[in-house]
Amino acid sequence: NAGVTQTPKFQVLKTGQSMTLQCAQDMNHEYMSWYRQDPGMGLRLIHYSVGAGITDQGEVPNGYNVSRSTTEDFPLRLLSAAPSQTSVYFCASSYSTPGSQETQYFGPGTRLLVL
Amino acid sequence: GENVEQHPSTLSVQEGDSAVIKCTYSDSASNYFPWYKQELGKGPQLIIDIRSNVGEKKDQRIAVTLNKTAKHFSLHITETQPEDSAVYFCAARNTDKLIFGTGTRLQVFP
Repeated sequence: NAGVTQTPKFQVLKTGQSMTLQCAQDMNHEYMSWYRQDPGMGLRLIHYSVGAGITDQGEVPNGYNVSRSTTEDFPLRLLSAAPSQTSVYFCASSYSTPGSQETQYFGPGTRLLVL
Repeated sequence: GENVEQHPSTLSVQEGDSAVIKCTYSDSASNYFPWYKQELGKGPQLIIDIRSNVGEKKDQRIAVTLNKTAKHFSLHITETQPEDSAVYFCAARNTDKLIFGTGTRLQVFP
């Protein structure tokens, strides 16, 4: 199993540009989520999904969209990038919601710089 | 919503000494408390977790304690080794969400 994969590893955008951060898992996990990591602020939940076709907002959803058309993929879209979205983005997945018996696995991250 | 505070933000210890990281949470309904270790350039990895019906859990050199009344939980690492150097995050489950603390950078000096 490849686990949780994220692409790209690094991206530079100009303010106002759009892009999609890709996340895929091959473990048949129902639960997937996106976090952003900023210095001194830990990991903050952006959006999450408890299964295909179901998404919900986390702590910091503004400026981001998600969809979950398949169990495997959970892309994160930035419609109009802003410098405040410069961050490291992590995707995570588990069989069910955190707090069940299942471990949440994180991907390697995407480093995004918005100029 | 849930709020998780973590202290200290940095911690330096000599190899072989113990390290303790503390977290507090605000929502008494939270019932699951994992700890993650993040090495440089990598995603966080679960190292130990505890549920609200348990007061302490141990896995080799790592232990976690939970005080539900005071709403705080702690990570204890004994006999620290240089490879324990990393950033550690605590988290608390609030409904379907994991809310993370701000992290502790642990440095273990040989």
